[in-house]
Parts: sequence; structure tokens; C-alpha cells
Amino acid sequence: EVQLVESGGGLVKPGGSLRLSCAASGFTFSSYSMNWVRQAPGKGLEWVSSISSSSSYIYYADSVKGRFTISRDNAKNSLYLQMNSLRAEDTAVYYCARKGSRGTGDAFDIWGQGTMVTVSS
Amino acid sequence: DIQLTQSPSFLSASVGDRVTITCRASQGISSYLAWYQQKPGKAPKLLIYAASTLQSGVPSRFSGSGSGTEFTLTISSLQPEDFATYYCQQLNSYPLYTFGQGTKLEIK
Repeated sequence: EVQLVESGGGLVKPGGSLRLSCAASGFTFSSYSMNWVRQAPGKGLEWVSSISSSSSYIYYADSVKGRFTISRDNAKNSLYLQMNSLRAEDTAVYYCARKGSRGTGDAFDIWGQGTMVTVSS
Repeated sequence: DIQLTQSPSFLSASVGDRVTITCRASQGISSYLAWYQQKPGKAPKLLIYAASTLQSGVPSRFSGSGSGTEFTLTISSLQPEDFATYYCQQLNSYPLYTFGQGTKLEIK
């Protein structure tokens, strides 16, 4: 079964750090670009960061640039998001999502169940 | 950045109704548009990609159309399981694959 499973969320104080993980299974992880997308409580979806299959290309939303770092370990079929200098506005459910092939128009065809990050004192 | 505006933001309908949701892009994106369905507490699910291609396993009552700046998602006959929030996403401007603000479809 094709699957993405996030972990690492929790409660953290403003200014703190957290590292999210996303474990992939059921597909050739090293062949796909991956993304983090977040959703604040009661709000819409916001793309956060993307990383190409070989980590050659990495991009961030302006809202997290300089604070978040995306990485991946293809040998471990895992995606990561290191979040530093966290702010209250980073509170959200964080999803990892696979960017499909050109055959699916580059849409995000597989999503994890999400992990909640709460930034509060 | 490309902005996406969905209308309406809220939609109330009954089982069996035909409903249409519109997504407008601030600039032309060819057919690089996807639609997702999200139910409360769940991850988004890909419904349609390339503006009009149904993802495998998605019921045929869902359809998408459009190109350039205006796109629509149509559900031909609403089923109880279709009540959810729907998002469009543009895939023209990599990697800033922005989402629309969402349309919440509620039971009348």
C-alpha cells in the first residue's frame, strides 16, 4: 500500500524548535519530489516547502524561509522538516505530500494523515 | 505569485443536486490545475488533475473543466459522502503551487 506517515508534532514554546518526519512506503521514494503543506486550525491549505528527488532543488514559502529546513534520506525512505524559531502563526497540521509524475499533472497525489504542531507559551 | 479565487466559499445543497464550484486564477495557467476533497480531520484527497482528468478511483459524478484562468469542478448528483471542503491548486508556477481558499459544501 502506498503510504505516508508523519510524526514529530507536538506542543512547543515560541522560539522553540521541532523536527517533523514523514515515512514513505509502497513506492519508490527516491523517484519523487516531496512537499510539506500545512493547515492552520479552521483555515485553508498552505504550501510550505518542496524538495526534489535527489535533494538538488529545495524551495520554501516566504513565511518559513530562513527558519525551516527540508531534507530527505532516500536510503531510509524518509522526509524531514526542521522547524526553528517557531511562532504562534506556525500552529497547524503539517502534511507531507508526494508530487506525482507528469502523468498526473504534477498534482499532489499521495498525502499523509498529518501531524499537529502547536506553538504556544 | 499566482492567486486562486474560489467561488462560492460556502455552498448548501441537497443529495441528488448538481453543483458547480469555480476557481479563477490571477493569470493564465493553461490546464495546470488540480482539485482536492478534504473531509474534517482528514488529509486532502486528489480528485482531478490537469483540469479535467479524473484521478483513479474517483467516481465519475465528479468532473472538471476549464483552461487559462477559469476552471470548474462539477458534481453531477451529490451523494452523502460528497459533503466536504474542496480546494483547487495551480501547478503552473513551480514550486509555488498555491491553493484556493476552499469551498465548503454543506447539506441543506
